[in-house]
Amino acid sequence: GNSVTQMEGPVTLSEEAFLTINCTYTATGYPSLFWYVQYPGEGLQLLLKATKADDKGSNKGFEATYRKETTSFHLEKGSVQVSDSAVYFCALNNQGGKLIFGQGTELSVKP
Amino acid sequence: NAGVTQTPKFQVLKTGQSMTLQCAQDMNHEYMSWYRQDPGMGLRLIHYSVGAGITDQGEVPNGYNVSRSTTEDFPLRLLSAAPSQTSVYFCASSLPRQGVVGELFFGEGSRLTVL
Repeated sequence: GNSVTQMEGPVTLSEEAFLTINCTYTATGYPSLFWYVQYPGEGLQLLLKATKADDKGSNKGFEATYRKETTSFHLEKGSVQVSDSAVYFCALNNQGGKLIFGQGTELSVKP
Repeated sequence: NAGVTQTPKFQVLKTGQSMTLQCAQDMNHEYMSWYRQDPGMGLRLIHYSVGAGITDQGEVPNGYNVSRSTTEDFPLRLLSAAPSQTSVYFCASSLPRQGVVGELFFGEGSRLTVL
């Protein structure tokens, strides 16, 4: 079945460091791919999305490119801030129309 | 704007007790769903609904019941709570396009502890 695998956390970075969080997926067909972010004590909210191969989603300085050849959707940011500390979830929508989430990656950014 | 509202935010139950987690949305979304979040497991889908009167099982439905009598409300019922149901529960809604769920809007979560 369809699935999403993320790199394990926690990831700890210094402010202004470069961020990569790896996400790979297994799916039949051509799902849309998403990154959600969960700040402490809150629900998840959509960060960015891509609906077809080679699409790049971007928001708040974060980017991710839908790579069909490597079945990946890695999240990147050139310079992280303390306020980016959160848990990040990669997700896809499967043929049944439901969203399937990865296990989440916790990011901690130190001043 | 209210968005997706969940109640209660915190609840402690004893094994065998029953309770209902409430979820309401004011965005006229057709699709509503319940997830549970456990450490290292991500979010797992419990039940979902594509419209009033229609519900279906997700990945981990055992021990939970749902109903959808209105577009706005989607309560989750635990009939006989077990310690394995200790978790954080999230309700989420969406307006599908061409039958495909896109962006989900989440509530703030309900933290349940079963002793």
